[in-house]
Amino acid sequence: GQQVMQIPQYQHVQEGEDFTTYCNSSTTLSNIQWYKQRPGGHPVFLIQLVKSGEVKKQKRLTFQFGEAKKNSSLHITATQTTDVGTYFCAAHDRGSTLGRLYFGRGTQLTVWP
Amino acid sequence: EADIYQTPRYLVIGTGKKITLECSQTMGHDKMYWYQQDPGMELHLIHYSYGVNSTEKGDLSSESTVSRIRTEHFPLTLESARPSHTSQYLCASSELRTVGGYTFGSGTRLTVV
Repeated sequence: GQQVMQIPQYQHVQEGEDFTTYCNSSTTLSNIQWYKQRPGGHPVFLIQLVKSGEVKKQKRLTFQFGEAKKNSSLHITATQTTDVGTYFCAAHDRGSTLGRLYFGRGTQLTVWP
Repeated sequence: EADIYQTPRYLVIGTGKKITLECSQTMGHDKMYWYQQDPGMELHLIHYSYGVNSTEKGDLSSESTVSRIRTEHFPLTLESARPSHTSQYLCASSELRTVGGYTFGSGTRLTVV
């Protein structure tokens, strides 16, 4: 099945610093989705990228989908304590949006005040 | 309000007991999923369904069963609970082509003693 590798597994930053998590695949992806899970909570869908080279922004969050549709990144500018949580990427195999999503292992972000 | 509901929220049960975790959604989604997750860690797919009378095994399915008799309801049964089943169980649903991402329930935190 589809393997989606996500790095780093943990990231500790001071409030105000930037943060980036990366998602990589050995095969071409149909799309990439990003989720955020607060401590003690459940994953919440943030965004989906579909097009090659696509870049989307949500306030301080910037999401990118690689030109080859094999990698993606989530960048947070000037982190805040409210950004704490685990960020997951997830993807379908190329040509399929009917099958299951494959989740990365997640990046746990800790923000020190 | 359209949502996805899981009950119970917390459950402590003895080894060997049979338990059923409930999941219902009011969004009319065709696809539903069960995941097992230790806090903030990787999501492990247990079972999923594409619609009524359709169920598929995920990566951790051997010790549990599911049924999908109604679109809105997707219960998960552990035939004989073991301490290794202690974890959080998350139910999710999505439209057929997952355009909008998965919607997750709040989860059931299971402890087997």
